[in-house]
Amino acid sequence: DGGITQSPKYLFRKEGQNVTLSCEQNLNHDAMYWYRQDPGQGLRLIYYSQIVNDFQKGDIAEGYSVSREKKESFPLTVTSAQKNPTAFYLCASRRGQGENYGYTFGSGTRLTVV
Amino acid sequence: QQPVQSPQAVILREGEDAVINCSSSKALYSVHWYRQKHGEAPVFLMILLKGGEQKGHDKISASFNEKKQQSSLYLTASQLSYSGTYFCGTEYLSSNQFYFGTGTSLTVIP
Repeated sequence: DGGITQSPKYLFRKEGQNVTLSCEQNLNHDAMYWYRQDPGQGLRLIYYSQIVNDFQKGDIAEGYSVSREKKESFPLTVTSAQKNPTAFYLCASRRGQGENYGYTFGSGTRLTVV
Repeated sequence: QQPVQSPQAVILREGEDAVINCSSSKALYSVHWYRQKHGEAPVFLMILLKGGEQKGHDKISASFNEKKQQSSLYLTASQLSYSGTYFCGTEYLSSNQFYFGTGTSLTVIP
């Protein structure tokens, strides 16, 4: 079955560390996204990519970085510059921006700063 | 630019109906609806396009009022499995940006 795989499910980060969250999809979707969700709140866009080797900042990109070297993969690095990284991170994909299809989400990574 | 949902939370008994609204301040191209259960990823329910549309499957349906720039999600004869947080998402005519709404927590009790 096609879908999005995020790993790890839970991640603990020490102050000052960079951590990388993995996102892989086998849906052959062009567009991929990273969202952050804080408790009781909606989803906020961190970064998105519509094609390989190209990505754009979302509304809350500061302290995060991404790469898109392969169509299937869109890893997110949470850097030490992100001062409040504890959150639920969701990776999503879509056939294309503006197309009449919904987003498919991965199962998420819960990141906690210890 | 984030669409506003109402109500913020609702509690229903099994079998009761509910309506969740999603309002935008900008002209809409499309509206999505998603349901998220606690600790899980959002699941796509449906998409409605401009031009005034209604969609539905099973006992969950939605409408899109282009003139009012709003959409409503209708849940009829609610079941326990309907519990979760419902999000709308909007795409605008003026840009290809997409924003998720503020969310509506729906709890169905026996």
